[in-house]
Formats: sequence, structure tokens, C-alpha cells
Amino acid sequence: ILNVEQSPQSLHVQEGDSTNFTCSFPSSNFYALHWYRWETAKSPEALFVMTLNGDEKKKGRISATLNTKEGYSYLYIKGSQPEDSATYLCAPDTGRRALTFGSGTRLQVQP
Amino acid sequence: NAGVTQTPKFQVLKTGQSMTLQCAQDMNHEYMSWYRQDPGMGLRLIHYSVGAGITDQGEVPNGYNVSRSTTEDFPLRLLSAAPSQTSVYFCASSYRTSGANEQFFGPGTRLTVL
Repeated sequence: ILNVEQSPQSLHVQEGDSTNFTCSFPSSNFYALHWYRWETAKSPEALFVMTLNGDEKKKGRISATLNTKEGYSYLYIKGSQPEDSATYLCAPDTGRRALTFGSGTRLQVQP
Repeated sequence: NAGVTQTPKFQVLKTGQSMTLQCAQDMNHEYMSWYRQDPGMGLRLIHYSVGAGITDQGEVPNGYNVSRSTTEDFPLRLLSAAPSQTSVYFCASSYRTSGANEQFFGPGTRLTVL
């Protein structure tokens, strides 16, 4: 079983705060790193797929970086809004045909 | 395209009953997977399939069976339901391009076992 760790488990921030969380994964057999956004009572939706060491992806106020040599990825949210409240999941892709997800970081943004 | 569809949306079972959760996709994806949502543990992989006639076990396969007779369908069977199987079940399909395997999720089936 792939060991994927996400921290923190949960986070409460005020509207307008910037925040970041971490995904740690084994650096061997690495193909890609996936980030998903999962709102309550909905299905997870893909945010980013990152494949290259040093890769940085951005979508609006959300960005992510990747370090494949040391096995971690950071997700940043700038100026958090209540609609950013969700659980953020990461999943390293080792080439197997299904993903192993971390336990997620649950973000609550207070207005 | 409907994407990934799951039926039923909700189900209540008694301990020992069996049932099949249905999953279908219309995107011609090779890969399909079943996950369960557990509090504090995110999504855990139950079984997956890399094509019609080919399935493999994930992290938590016990108590579940799968088969894949067509590219479109990937049903999950609970053989003898137990309260520990109370969860939300997500089916996902995916394809591999350039080394990345993006998953598309269905809406989920909420199962309660009494």
C-alpha cells in the first residue's frame, strides 16, 4: 500500500487569508501527482496533474508546486473565499491503473 | 456525454443482505475503479479494472466482488453486507495520456447497513 500523507488534516481560516497544505509521497516509481477538490456531498474533481520536478500549476487563486526528488507537493490558496471550503486530496500516480489517495486536508473558510 | 453514472443514489440494507452497486461510463475509458469514503481516511480503493475481463484488488477488497464484461460497466457486489460497509461509494473511470491517469468520478452511492 502506497504511503501518502497530507497535512494538516483540517484547517480553519478567515476569508482573505492565504493558506497552504502539504502532500508527501514516496519518490520512487513516480509518474505524476494529482490534486483533487472535493466539496461536501459532491464528487471529487481534478484540480491539477503534475508530472515534472519543479512543476508549478495555477488555476485562479490556487497554485501547486511539485518536488519529485524529495517526494512532496504544496497546494497554495491565495486570499481564501468561503467557496474554497472543501477537502483537498492528493494522489501520487505510480503507473498503476488506479490512484491511491491521501486522507485529505479539510479546509473551512469563515466569512 | 453522461460521464460516469451510478445507481442507486441511496440504499439501506440489513446485515447479511447482498446487493449490486451499478456503475457505467460513456467516455470509452479503459480503466474503472471503485472507492469508498471513510471518515478521516479520504478515499480508499476497493477494486479496479484495466479493461473488459481484467480486474484487480485495491486496498480494501474484502467483502466485495467485481467483474467487467464490457468497457462501459463495472458493477460492485456486496456479498453479505456488514455494518462496517456503511459508506459512500464512488466509481471512477480514467484513461492514460502522457503518463497521467486523471480520474472522473460518479456522483456516489450512499449505503447504510443496519
